[in-house]
Amino acid sequence: DAGVTQSPTHLIKTRGQHVTLRCSPISGHKSVSWYQQVLGQGPQFIFQYYEKEERGRGNFPDRFSARQFPNYSSELNVNALLLGDSALYLCASSWGGGTARSNEQFFGPGTRLTVL
Amino acid sequence: QKEVEQNSGPLSVPEGAIASLNCTYSDRGSQSFFWYRQYSGKSPELIMSIYSNGDKEDGRFTAQLNKASQYVSLLIRDSQPSDSATYLCAVIYTGRRALTFGSGTRLQVQP
Repeated sequence: DAGVTQSPTHLIKTRGQHVTLRCSPISGHKSVSWYQQVLGQGPQFIFQYYEKEERGRGNFPDRFSARQFPNYSSELNVNALLLGDSALYLCASSWGGGTARSNEQFFGPGTRLTVL
Repeated sequence: QKEVEQNSGPLSVPEGAIASLNCTYSDRGSQSFFWYRQYSGKSPELIMSIYSNGDKEDGRFTAQLNKASQYVSLLIRDSQPSDSATYLCAVIYTGRRALTFGSGTRLQVQP
């Protein structure tokens, strides 16, 4: 079975531009979470979606937005890019139900964003 | 501020030894704890999850949870050079579903 897929793998943008990152979860998983990881730190939570509804939001500015589609894939959008947005953006997939095990999150390969 | 603390390392162990990685967390009510392995330039890979006090073993890996001390650890037996990576501890805090990560411990296994 395919794991979590993300596109693109690498992206170079300039300050002020916007970017859209895409994620497809593991088949059968209904929840997608987005994380930002800068070098030397653990991933930081951005958003979580379950059944197309936002279920959580981290401490990120409104320039960051996301959505989940009926097929459970998801997009992360970042507007007005800043140099500090350069990072590895990770998508994680989970069942999303009410049990502890349903919250186990499996990561895709990530999108490395460089802002110049 | 809910936090997860890890020693950044590097932790250096000889091949065949036991590597012990530690993590503390701030929310006593947390119920779900995870260890991820991350190779340089790659994404995190889930290697262990633990939900109740005590030990959980999976192959060469043992996760240990002590909720009273708010402490979770990962033991890697018979360490191999291929285990050299950064190990991330993650917690799902009470009332949340997102993972809160520590900054990771870099493990180096010397041949």
